[in-house]
Amino acid sequence: DTGVSQNPRHKITKRGQNVTFRCDPISEHNRLYWYRQTLGQGPEFLTYFQNEAQLEKSRLLSDRFSAERPKGSFSTLEIQRTEQGDSAMYLCASSPSRLAGGINEQFFGPGTRLTVL
Amino acid sequence: EDKVVQSPLSLVVHEGDTVTLNCSYEVTNFRSLLWYKQEKKAPTFLFMLTSSGIEKKSGRLSSILDKKELFSILNITATQTGDSAVYLCAVDDGSGNTGKLIFGQGTTLQVKP
Repeated sequence: DTGVSQNPRHKITKRGQNVTFRCDPISEHNRLYWYRQTLGQGPEFLTYFQNEAQLEKSRLLSDRFSAERPKGSFSTLEIQRTEQGDSAMYLCASSPSRLAGGINEQFFGPGTRLTVL
Repeated sequence: EDKVVQSPLSLVVHEGDTVTLNCSYEVTNFRSLLWYKQEKKAPTFLFMLTSSGIEKKSGRLSSILDKKELFSILNITATQTGDSAVYLCAVDDGSGNTGKLIFGQGTTLQVKP
């Protein structure tokens, strides 16, 4: 499977615990995005990487959230001291360089569903 | 504040019906508009629209963009139960050249046999 993969697919944790999610983008894609989706809503942008550089963070990304893409390949999203309001689906997407025709079709992974009890 | 608004929020039709889903936007640095289909998993790409008045078609689905009135529609003809899904409209925010997408809240379509 050469699509975007995310692990784990589901995570249940207790309030106050730390959690980490992983995203493996399509291999030739240098752009990587994290979104959060709550029930009945569309995805909301969290952060963007171009290669290993984190170039934009949403104000939704509080200081409890941190994302990395150390080698410009896979990415991790960590949430510290989880709160019940963090319960959501966390989606990762990747796309090729905009130099390749200007197209920004983002390919989404299956998401990690987080439940904070 | 940039926003994307979809209507209706939900729709129930019978197989064979034609549906029109609406998406309006207010995005300062519009680059393109995208439609996705989401069936309890990852959104899958349907169309990307950048120019007004040019219809994109794929089978029974078609979409068009009006950049003057700031909206797009997604049409599905001869609906089938497999079309049941959430349809998401998103705008590529060109500011900063990041390509981040601003999504609407989605339209939930249920097609009954």
